[in-house]
Amino acid sequence: QKEVEQDPGPLSVPEGAIVSLNCTYSNSAFQYFMWYRQYSRKGPELLMYTYSSGNKEDGRFTAQVDKSSKYISLFIRDSQPSDSATYLCAMSKAGSYQLTFGKGTKLSVIP
Amino acid sequence: GAVVSQHPSWVICKSGTSVKIECRSLDFQATTMFWYRQFPKQSLMLMATSNEGSKATYEQGVEKDKFLINHASLTLSTLTVTSAHPEDSSFYICSAAGGADYGYTFGSGTRLTVV
Repeated sequence: QKEVEQDPGPLSVPEGAIVSLNCTYSNSAFQYFMWYRQYSRKGPELLMYTYSSGNKEDGRFTAQVDKSSKYISLFIRDSQPSDSATYLCAMSKAGSYQLTFGKGTKLSVIP
Repeated sequence: GAVVSQHPSWVICKSGTSVKIECRSLDFQATTMFWYRQFPKQSLMLMATSNEGSKATYEQGVEKDKFLINHASLTLSTLTVTSAHPEDSSFYICSAAGGADYGYTFGSGTRLTVV
């Protein structure tokens, strides 16, 4: 079993839809959770960073962490064509800079 | 905000030659830099961790003699792919720790094609 599992999609939604992206993980040592957006042939850019279980909101983006279930989610409200990209979840252990990434989910928002 | 510049953004080289990729933190000092490789439709795989002034730590399965990493200053790390072969063709991405609240800033990546 991989440490981080993420459905690669692709996921296609109409503009304005709510998008739900998810990752599961197996190692309870992961304490920090991140969501990155990666456009084609570009480096990842950070969208959300969370530490504790619960929700964190930033504009149209909401990150959710459930440590008891080892499950994290990213919700995108009012999705836009510009949101079309690959979304990667990533996580790290306490005291470590090293990130473990999911495979990424490719999202297409259709106008 | 923190910026990491990675150069070149793409390179094509002949099989058997060496290619150097640079990763610079522009507005902060990066004590630790990471090098990742990403194949099409795959996630980022950590290749090595480099700390300024010391030898890089390579992940299992990554040939340290083939992928030479030098972190000579707090703002520059380089990855040299030696004797490149077509199977080394990939997207290489660096990240630097120290520029953001929790420390991860990525470069824009280098697409290497070995022909």
